[in-house]
Amino acid sequence: GQQLNQSPQSMFIQEGEDVSMNCTSSSIFNTWLWYKQDPGEGPVLLIALYKAGELTSNGRLTAQFGITRKDSFLNISASIPSDVGIYFCAGQLANTNAGKSTFGDGTTLTVKP
Amino acid sequence: GAVVSQHPSRVICKSGTSVKIECRSLDFQATTMFWYRQFPKQSLMLMATSNEGSKATYEQGVEKDKFLINHASLTLSTLTVTSAHPEDSSFYICSARPFKANTGELFFGEGSRLTVL
Repeated sequence: GQQLNQSPQSMFIQEGEDVSMNCTSSSIFNTWLWYKQDPGEGPVLLIALYKAGELTSNGRLTAQFGITRKDSFLNISASIPSDVGIYFCAGQLANTNAGKSTFGDGTTLTVKP
Repeated sequence: GAVVSQHPSRVICKSGTSVKIECRSLDFQATTMFWYRQFPKQSLMLMATSNEGSKATYEQGVEKDKFLINHASLTLSTLTVTSAHPEDSSFYICSARPFKANTGELFFGEGSRLTVL
């Protein structure tokens, strides 16, 4: 099946620093989604991307849908302690059961005050 | 925003018993819901796609007789772990796609942690 390579696996940063993480795939995706998961809870949707080249922001978060449709990145600017959590990318193929997603392995973010 | 609720959030059961987990979309209708399993520090593993009014579609390697899924209404899907064993202990999460959505956006429940003794 399809696989997503998400990197880095973990990040330890100082409060105020910017963060960048990305996902790559050997398959072309129609949709890229970025989620954040806090411990013991379900993922929460951060940003959804639907067009190649699309750049979308949500507050301090910015994500882009790669031109090749095989990659996406998520940036977090001026990190704060509540940004701590696991970030997952997810890709959806065209002509599939809408919503069926392949998830990356996650990036665990730790922010030091 | 769309809200999905799971119940129970935590359950502890004895080996051999069955456990039912509910997934409800509170403010929207969902013809499709998804069930995932997540091990500590790992990603979400899709178990099955739950379709309202029809049989669930299971991913390869997931035993349909072990993990029974019922999607009897547009707002409720249930996952029953039958004859649970310690190796079934895990974090189970559901997600739902709004009925009229033209997007693939999914909204997740809070998750249910199952511990089988």
